Amino acid sequence: DAGITQSPRHKVTETGTPVTLRCHQTENHRYMYWYRQDPGHGLRLIHYSYGVKDTDKGEVSDGYSVSRSKTEDFLLTLESATSSQTSVYFCAITRGGNEQYFGPGTRLTVT
Amino acid sequence: GENVEQHPSTLSVQEGDSAVIKCTYSDSASNYFPWYKQELGKRPQLIIDIRSNVGEKKDQRIAVTLNKTAKHFSLHITETQPEDSAVYFCAAIRSAGNMLTFGGGTRLMVKP
Repeated sequence: DAGITQSPRHKVTETGTPVTLRCHQTENHRYMYWYRQDPGHGLRLIHYSYGVKDTDKGEVSDGYSVSRSKTEDFLLTLESATSSQTSVYFCAITRGGNEQYFGPGTRLTVT
Repeated sequence: GENVEQHPSTLSVQEGDSAVIKCTYSDSASNYFPWYKQELGKRPQLIIDIRSNVGEKKDQRIAVTLNKTAKHFSLHITETQPEDSAVYFCAAIRSAGNMLTFGGGTRLMVKP
């Protein structure tokens, strides 16, 4: 499982509320990523991090922010959740070059 | 940015037959092309990858080919088995930042 955990695994929240998803890794990898997966769209990159306090935007970053204050944790925040952010969120790390390995995913439902 | 197209979106084969999934990419600077298998409700799992300095790579029943000139790469699964049924994603890495761009996925169904 590449030492990646995500929490929570499932969450239901209401429109307009803030939500934070956590990705935790145990292997001290430099690169971490947040993707969302939606039917018909595959996996799309939201944000990524290349070190503590070093982050950058992916292709679908609007409405999301991230923080990485420790190597092992990468947080994804939805400041004000909308129904269009209902999705499955995957965290990933890069190990040994380019190979990316994914966490177990978080299913988020915004009602 | 990079754009990855994947075809077909669904593929049904008989057990024992071969399956081929094709992807094209747009960024000629992309140099790493992984394939992921995702079973229902599970995380994507890396099954094989290829780098731009290699034309073909095999691992038991799966193989990947790359044509840099045409900017396309393919996944080949031989002697398919029911446990190969899953959604398969191709991806290409952009030239900087280790950012993968994924294709839309292919749902493979292997009929016993």
